[in-house]
Amino acid sequence: SQKIEQNSEALNIQEGKTATLTCNYTNYSPAYLQWYRQDPGRGPVFLLLIRENEKEKRKERLKVTFDTTLKQSLFHITASQPADSATYLCALPRGYGNKLVFGAGTILRVKS
Amino acid sequence: EAGVAQSPRYKIIEKRQSVAFWCNPISGHATLYWYQQILGQGPKLLIQFQNNGVVDDSQLPKDRFSAERLKGVDSTLKIQPAKLEDSAVYLCASSLVRGTGRPSYEQYFGPGTRLTVT
Repeated sequence: SQKIEQNSEALNIQEGKTATLTCNYTNYSPAYLQWYRQDPGRGPVFLLLIRENEKEKRKERLKVTFDTTLKQSLFHITASQPADSATYLCALPRGYGNKLVFGAGTILRVKS
Repeated sequence: EAGVAQSPRYKIIEKRQSVAFWCNPISGHATLYWYQQILGQGPKLLIQFQNNGVVDDSQLPKDRFSAERLKGVDSTLKIQPAKLEDSAVYLCASSLVRGTGRPSYEQYFGPGTRLTVT
């Protein structure tokens, strides 16, 4: 069956460092992958989409890579700030109509 | 522009009672999704509408859950009767439909309704 795995343990890093979050998937051949941010008590917020033919995508301090051979996406936040503390979810499409299957998310804590 | 609105934000009910959640998507968004998010897990799609038609309800427990979007705008999700395992956050999301007729990739989520079943 299709499975998405994200680091189950929280990632604690120091302000200014680069945070790297991992999303691994099995039994999928997704045309794209999305990353969302979720703060406590709020709904997820879309951050980035990367397509299967793109190796890397950047948006300000965010960078996403997508390796379809390894079936893995890496999400990087450079020069991290305490305001980046949140849960980060990866999501892959399932079937027609952009239905998304989400991973469980990784909690990121950035300490000043 | 106004975001996705949901109400109520919190609801506590006893098992076997019924409950309804309301969602008002972003204006012009033809596609609407309902997700269930259990604590510590990612959102799980329950049902997807495009305008007032159901696109996918394969993961909706139809013996107790129902949803409608009568005029292709607002939507309600109902649980009757509720079970303890229904305790979760219920998220509504919406997205545009592209010129191809398919939903846009980016989904916009509301704040969710936190349901506690005791």
